[in-house]
Amino acid sequence: AQSVTQLDSHVSVSEGTPVLLRCNYSSSYSPSLFWYVQHPNKGLQLLLKYTSAATLVKGINGFEAEFKKSETSFHLTKPSAHMSDAAEYFCVVSDGLYTGGFKTIFGAGTRLFVKA
Amino acid sequence: SAVISQKPSRDICQRGTSLTIQCQVDSQVTMMFWYRQQPGQSLTLIATANQGSEATYESGFVIDKFPISRPNLTFSTLTVSNMSPEDSSIYLCSSRLAGGADTQYFGPGTRLTVL
Repeated sequence: AQSVTQLDSHVSVSEGTPVLLRCNYSSSYSPSLFWYVQHPNKGLQLLLKYTSAATLVKGINGFEAEFKKSETSFHLTKPSAHMSDAAEYFCVVSDGLYTGGFKTIFGAGTRLFVKA
Repeated sequence: SAVISQKPSRDICQRGTSLTIQCQVDSQVTMMFWYRQQPGQSLTLIATANQGSEATYESGFVIDKFPISRPNLTFSTLTVSNMSPEDSSIYLCSSRLAGGADTQYFGPGTRLTVL
């Protein structure tokens, strides 16, 4: 069975400091993993995805995430936060590529606050 | 990637009425999904809509309450029937491109308020 846990419901950083949003997952198969961002009153935008290629994945807007199988983690990072990064972030796990079906699980979300 | 539009973007409805939400994708997609996002919550899958077959509903969601149509590979509708204030949520349409890639793309959502 799949599950995804976002370890922090809220994260607050100062502008210009690093961002770390933590995500742990469990899956019976080698999963595909995603991070999405949702700005207020907007839909979800794909930040990046991991699908069994390079373990360090680079996404849009300077975000990246590292897949660590031994730790079952897929944490999202950014070296320097910008005010425009303030949003809700969702970690997502899917095993559709391997099971022939499609099952996507969303984390509970992490709200990122960026202070000036 | 896929660009998804939804109509309406928001609505305020009276208890007991129904609202149909439209979802249009700019390319042909095999799978379309409808999600509900209640205030301050994550996304919950309502149903999966495949063209030419009945929608598949998740536990806790039924066709009488959330009828879905999928007439072709680029369009789907979700109806929220006999609405109550508990149905106030954001409803999001999502699609997965043909060819097996499992990346999902999302529409901007429909913000529904039921009085």
